[in-house]
Amino acid sequence: QVHLVQSGAEVKKPGSSVKVSCKASGGTFSNSAINWVRQAPGQGLEWMGYIIPVLGTAHYAQKFQDRVTLSADKSTGIAHMHMTGLRAEDTAVYYCARGYCSSTSCREFDRWGQGTLVTVSS
Amino acid sequence: QSVLTQPPSASGTPGQRVTISCSGSSSNIGDNYVYWYQHLPGTAPKLLIYRNNQRPSGVPDRFSGSKSGTSASLAISGLRSEDEADYYCASWDDSLNGRVVFGGGTKLTVL
Repeated sequence: QVHLVQSGAEVKKPGSSVKVSCKASGGTFSNSAINWVRQAPGQGLEWMGYIIPVLGTAHYAQKFQDRVTLSADKSTGIAHMHMTGLRAEDTAVYYCARGYCSSTSCREFDRWGQGTLVTVSS
Repeated sequence: QSVLTQPPSASGTPGQRVTISCSGSSSNIGDNYVYWYQHLPGTAPKLLIYRNNQRPSGVPDRFSGSKSGTSASLAISGLRSEDEADYYCASWDDSLNGRVVFGGGTKLTVL
């Protein structure tokens, strides 16, 4: 059974960038999509985008398309979320989640990583 | 401001039945499936309901989902203390080039 294991917590300065990784343990990405969802303190869940590792195609929420790059290496089973121009309001727990997505929709997210806390502070 | 609207809180006593509503529009719930997630602080969210009313293996049948028009609801019967968590609805939204949208979350308290 596939588990998603994320990299550890990060503390970053405003204006810098962060790269969070998500590794498929016990299996591969197969033809699934890896989605990224974040939760700021006291807030709800916010979808950022997905990448389909086997195709290398990504789709972003409009809010993040200028600052976020999703990548994945299907041979190693590792996906990355890279965010630039960090601001205090980007402080959040970032989750990767497995789903099945096409250009017209995404289905349920049935596996989630444990989350990575990114703190942006001067 | 979340695209899908949920009540911020709900409560019930052990054994009771509670429902959590989720309101959307024609571009999301009205034309796409609804999903429900359970989230305990400090843990990964867990899929509870997919395709409006389907339960993944391992999810008790105390949890049920329904959808009508542009609204959906999650019902939890035989409430237990371990059900105390945050619950989120989600759906695909056809606007803004397509995106996944979540409700703001409902904090369920078991009294």
